[in-house]
Amino acid sequence: AQSVAQPEDQVNVAEGNPLTVKCTYSVSGNPYLFWYVQYPNRGLQFLLKYITGDNLVKGSYGFEAEFNKSQTSFHLKKPSALVSDSALYFCAVRDISFNKFYFGSGTKLNVKP
Amino acid sequence: EPEVTQTPSHQVTQMGQEVILRCVPISNHLYFYWYRQILGQKVEFLVSFYNNEISEKSEIFDDQFSVERPDGSNFTLKIRSTKLEDSAMYFCASSERVAGVNEQFFGPGTRLTVL
Repeated sequence: AQSVAQPEDQVNVAEGNPLTVKCTYSVSGNPYLFWYVQYPNRGLQFLLKYITGDNLVKGSYGFEAEFNKSQTSFHLKKPSALVSDSALYFCAVRDISFNKFYFGSGTKLNVKP
Repeated sequence: EPEVTQTPSHQVTQMGQEVILRCVPISNHLYFYWYRQILGQKVEFLVSFYNNEISEKSEIFDDQFSVERPDGSNFTLKIRSTKLEDSAMYFCASSERVAGVNEQFFGPGTRLTVL
C-alpha cells in the first residue's frame, strides 16, 4: 500500500535560517509525491510535486524538495525561512489507482523572528 | 486564479440530522474528491467522483454518505444521519485529469460540528 511518513510533529527554526521538513514514502511502482501547506482556517495549498525528472523540484513561495530514491525520501526545503512560512505542511503520495492521495500526519513549522 | 469554493464554512448540526456540504470545483476540472480531517489528525480520503459516478471510496464512506453533481458546477457531500464522530473539517478537491499526474486543488473546507 502507498504511504508517507512525516517523522516530526513540529519543526522550529529561526527566521533567515534554512528549513527542512522531512517526508519518507513507501510505494508500489513509481512514486508521485506532493507537498501541501495548510494555513490556519484555510484549505490545503499545493506547493510542489515530483512526477519524474530532476530530483530537485522547485515550487511555490521559494520552497523546493529533493527526491531521493535510495532513501525513499522527499524532504521539503527552503534556504531562508520567513515568519510567514509558519503553517502545517503535509506530504502526500498518489495511489496507484490515481484516484486519491495518501497524506502524512503533517508537520507544524514554527518560524520565530 | 481559479479556485475551489465550499459552503458553508461552518455547519453545526444535531446528531441524527442530515447535512449537505457544497463545493464548486474549478470549472474545467473533471475529477472531484472529498476528504476529511478530524481535529489534530491527518487528512483522510473519502471518495472520488468522475463522469457522474463514484470512482473509488474509502471504508469511511459508508451508506450514510453520498455524493452528487446535481448540475454542471456543484458537487455535494450528503451525510444522512450525522454522528458525533462525523465532526471534522471536510475538504473538497478537484483535478483536471488523473490525480497521479495533476495535483488536486483543495477548497477552504467546511467545519462540521455535530452536537
